Amino acid sequence: NAGVTQTPKFQVLKTGQSMTLQCAQDMNHNSMYWYRQDPGMGLRLIYYSASEGTTDKGEVPNGYNVSRLNKREFSLRLESAAPSQTSVYFCASSNIAGVPYEQYFGPGTRLTVT
Amino acid sequence: AQSVSQHNHHVILSEAASLELGCNYSYGGTVNLFWYVQYPGQHLQLLLKYFSGDPLVKGIKGFEAEFIKSKFSFNLRKPSVQWSDTAEYFCAVIGTDKLIFGTGTRLQVFP
Repeated sequence: NAGVTQTPKFQVLKTGQSMTLQCAQDMNHNSMYWYRQDPGMGLRLIYYSASEGTTDKGEVPNGYNVSRLNKREFSLRLESAAPSQTSVYFCASSNIAGVPYEQYFGPGTRLTVT
Repeated sequence: AQSVSQHNHHVILSEAASLELGCNYSYGGTVNLFWYVQYPGQHLQLLLKYFSGDPLVKGIKGFEAEFIKSKFSFNLRKPSVQWSDTAEYFCAVIGTDKLIFGTGTRLQVFP
């Protein structure tokens, strides 16, 4: 099992550009999550999907959109990148629909917006 | 709203020293608590978790945590740290339908 995979690992964008971060899990988990990690602020939840076909906003959803493409894949899109979105982005999944028990994290995407 | 506080932002220890990292949560109902670790350049990994039962929870790599309901605390401990324990440590609690993370404690262990 690869667990949770994310692409790309690194990305540099100019302000106003768009991009999609990809996440996939092969553990047959129902729930998937996108976090951003910033120094001194810990992990903040951007969006989550409790089960296939549903998505909900987390703590910091502004400037982002998500798509739960199927049970395996959950993508995060930045439509018009801003320097404030420079961060490390982590995808995670867990195995109980709607109840966020133990989460498994991907390796992260380091995004810089200039 | 539920919240988690980690008051130690940066801890520096020598090898073999004992470790205790504080974690306090605000949720008054049934709680499920976690400690995650993030080694430099890596993703978060689960250290240990508490759902119910014995309030003293053993995790991987010699870590343990004690759930004290009266103090709303779930402190992480290790009797003797190693250089390889250098990492960032996150406490988390299950909120209504998602995990809520603390801001993290950066631990540096010097040989």
